[in-house]
Amino acid sequence: LAKTTQPISMDSYEGQEVNITCSHNNIATNDYITWYQQFPSQGPRFIIQGYKTKVTNEVASLFIPADRKSSTLSLPRVSLSDTAVYYCLVGDDYGGATNKLIFGTGTLLAVQP
Amino acid sequence: DADVTQTPRNRITKTGKRIMLECSQTKGHDRMYWYRQDPGLGLQLIYYSFDVKDINKGEISDGYSVSRQAQAKFSLSLESAIPNQTALYFCATSDLSGPQHFGDGTRLSIL
Repeated sequence: LAKTTQPISMDSYEGQEVNITCSHNNIATNDYITWYQQFPSQGPRFIIQGYKTKVTNEVASLFIPADRKSSTLSLPRVSLSDTAVYYCLVGDDYGGATNKLIFGTGTLLAVQP
Repeated sequence: DADVTQTPRNRITKTGKRIMLECSQTKGHDRMYWYRQDPGLGLQLIYYSFDVKDINKGEISDGYSVSRQAQAKFSLSLESAIPNQTALYFCATSDLSGPQHFGDGTRLSIL
C-alpha cells in the first residue's frame, strides 16, 4: 500500500508559481498519481492525474521523475482563490481503487496578496 | 459537484439516536462511496459500492451501515450515534475509469 508524504503547509503570494512535492516511495507498477483540491466545507475536487513524465491541463501540471517515487504538482500564477488543501493520492486508477484510496492530511496552501 | 447531492447538509442529534445520511447523484455513475473527515485530517473511507448489488467495507466501517437503493442513491446510517462520530461526511461517485466526484458534505454533530 503506497503511502504518500506531503508538506503540511506552504505559503505563497499572488502571481507566483507554486510547486507541491509528494513522496511515494512504495508506489506500485500499476499505480497512478492523482491530486485533489479541497476548499473549506466542500468536497475534494479532482485536479490532475499522471503515470509518468509530465501531464498538463488547464489548471496545473504534474511532474513525475523516472523512478516515480515522488511527484510535483505545479500551479502557475496562483491567486487568492487557490488557497486550499491539496491531496496527493496513489492508486491503481483515479483513486477509485476504494480501499487503496488514502488521502492523508494534505498540504494547506495559503496564498497571500 | 452539483450532480452529487447530500442531505441533510447539517445535523445535530443526541447520543443513541439512529441517523441516516442520504446521497443522490445524476452523473449516471455505478460506483459510490462514503467518507468521513475529522478536523484537520484527510478523508477516511467508510463504505463503497460498485453497483446496486455490491457493498464493501472501507477502513472504518464499524458503527456504520449503508444501503444502495438504486444506481443513483446511496445512504449511510449510524444505528446508534456516539459523540466520536461527530465529523464531516462526504459522498462521492465515479465511473469505472475516472476521478471521484464529491458532494458538499454533511456536517454531523452528536451531543
